[in-house]
Amino acid sequence: AQKVTQAQTEISVVEKEDVTLDCVYETRDTTYYLFWYKQPPSGELVFLIRRNSFDEQNEISGRYSWNFQKSTSSFNFTITASQVVDSAVYFCALAPGYSSASKIIFGSGTRLSIRP
Amino acid sequence: EAGVTQSPTHLIKTRGQQATLRCSPISGHTSVYWYQQALGLGLQFLLWYDEGEERNRGNFPPRFSGRQFPNYSSELNVNALELEDSALYLCASSLDEGTEPYNEQFFGPGTRLTVL
Repeated sequence: AQKVTQAQTEISVVEKEDVTLDCVYETRDTTYYLFWYKQPPSGELVFLIRRNSFDEQNEISGRYSWNFQKSTSSFNFTITASQVVDSAVYFCALAPGYSSASKIIFGSGTRLSIRP
Repeated sequence: EAGVTQSPTHLIKTRGQQATLRCSPISGHTSVYWYQQALGLGLQFLLWYDEGEERNRGNFPPRFSGRQFPNYSSELNVNALELEDSALYLCASSLDEGTEPYNEQFFGPGTRLTVL
């Protein structure tokens, strides 16, 4: 069975603090994809990153960075020097390889609040 | 370029009624996905349409149905509404079937359905 766990339901930090959102996944597939999405108050999900299971390199995009560790089945997301505009719900997702996007499974999300 | 649009923004119905939700994908996108985001339950995959055909459906009863029109827009119909159908319904579109490595899904702002 496939599963995505985002244990942190809500996180609140003061602006400029660094914050890490945890994501732990379960799958028996050897090929799979991991995603992070951001859902601002407006509602629409915004794609942030897609990573396949064979690429364990960490990735940095501006203030965002992702740490993928197959050994612990984790795909954590860190925001450095957080800003109020980062306030949103963040979803981690998992999809099996050799399948369709309709098989993407989302975690329950982490609500991040950045206080000025 | 216009993004994914959904209408209406809000919809209030009473139990037993039918609801129709609409989605217009990004121009050039042929795949449309529907998701239900109920409070505290994360995103649950509902339906996937591509080239006018239903390609896959999630674990929802048959009273959730839909269709895709020749212009690739889509409708989601929910019959015999129940209180637990109250949720944000998100539509996403992608370039094609969204098979591996998963073309990015672009999401609309959602329709908030309230069943009284």
